[in-house]
Amino acid sequence: GGIITQTPKFLIGQEGQKLTLKCQQNFNHDTMYWYRQDSGKGLRLIYYSITENDLQKGDLSEGYDASREKKSSFSLTVTSAQKNEMAVFLCASSIPQGTGNTLYFGEGSRLIVV
Amino acid sequence: GDSVTQTEGLVTVTEGLPVKLNCTYQTTYLTIAFFWYVQYLNEAPQVLLKSSTDNKRTEHQGFHATLHKSSSSFHLQKSSAQLSDSALYYCALSEPSGSWQLIFGSGTQLTVMP
Repeated sequence: GGIITQTPKFLIGQEGQKLTLKCQQNFNHDTMYWYRQDSGKGLRLIYYSITENDLQKGDLSEGYDASREKKSSFSLTVTSAQKNEMAVFLCASSIPQGTGNTLYFGEGSRLIVV
Repeated sequence: GDSVTQTEGLVTVTEGLPVKLNCTYQTTYLTIAFFWYVQYLNEAPQVLLKSSTDNKRTEHQGFHATLHKSSSSFHLQKSSAQLSDSALYYCALSEPSGSWQLIFGSGTQLTVMP
């Protein structure tokens, strides 16, 4: 088995601040994802990466940057934190399975903007 | 665009009674996969069921679901709900576009009462 570790679990920042969330996986999976979780809105894709140094935008990428410098790590930066961005951010990884990829998630990082 | 709909945000059921969580979808693809993910309080979402075969029942941990392409549905059912089933449930559609990325529904919070 493997694990996805997200740091920090809680990130408190000020409005306008640049904030970074980190994710590490030891599954040796190729593809990694960042999702935002809002109550009643499900999980929305921010960025994903199919290999080291690759980045693909999801539907919610505006206001975020991402970086995949190593196969095992994927970071997400909120470029200018806003109070309406308080949410849980979930990192995930997957390997190709033919029809549909099963995603393995981390426990999430909660962003609080003051 | 393609989408997944979970009509109930909250479902409450008495222990021992059957439960059904509804999920419908819209897609332009013929080859798809469908997932149910479950998220227990303060834990990572984890896959509960996966299916890519039309009209074939899939079962795991007492839950079952059947992908019905004719009605665009993948409802989750259990014949006898347990207190430990209380959690947040997401259905998710996986399509060939974007490396089989998932489109999630808005989630259904299931509460099982004693």
